[in-house]
Amino acid sequence: DIQMTQSPSSLSASVGDRVTITCRASQTTTTYLNWYQQKPGRAPKLLIFAASSLQSGVPSRFSGSGSGTDFTLTISSLQSEDFATYYCQQTSSTPFTFGPGTRVDIK
Amino acid sequence: EVRLLESGGGLGQPAGSLRLTCAASGFIFANYAMCWVRQAPGKGLEMVSGVSSGNRIYYADSVKGRFTISRDNDKSTLSLQMNSLTAEDTAVYYCAKSRAAVFSGLDAWGQGTTVTVSS
Repeated sequence: DIQMTQSPSSLSASVGDRVTITCRASQTTTTYLNWYQQKPGRAPKLLIFAASSLQSGVPSRFSGSGSGTDFTLTISSLQSEDFATYYCQQTSSTPFTFGPGTRVDIK
Repeated sequence: EVRLLESGGGLGQPAGSLRLTCAASGFIFANYAMCWVRQAPGKGLEMVSGVSSGNRIYYADSVKGRFTISRDNDKSTLSLQMNSLTAEDTAVYYCAKSRAAVFSGLDAWGQGTTVTVSS
């Protein structure tokens, strides 16, 4: 099974900050890597698919990069509505595992 | 507009059964893979089951042999039959649509239905 890890597990940031979240897979997922945002009490929302493709309707301040085992989600200028938990997910091979999440809260 | 509406959650008995249903609208249901993703209280996300448009089926090890996924393309519905329930199955269950015919990023989600397993 492919294990997914994320770092940091949580971070505190201010509006306007550049935020970077890292996701690492225990073996290659090529670019079968997705990123989601989840707010409390809400369903997750797809932000990035195929490692770097921006989902329709998602603001351009979100970007994804990486391939193989190391991936990054970047928020170029954090907005108040971005405070949430972020998950990566690999869809390269079963089981299709999610990372444990990174919580982004207000500094 | 894509809509996914789950139903069937509630209180289940240990060793009992529940059946979840997801009614889909706003897209050609037959053309997309569909999944069930759950989230235990205060925990992360787990994809428990999925079915591609070509009927390739996926189960997480945690539910294999106990849960059965099915899709009815004529009625645009996705179902999850959950048997031999345990307390570890307590979670919010989300129906989610893949952005492709195969398992890929999940670009639409229902609001979730809560399953509580307790005597």
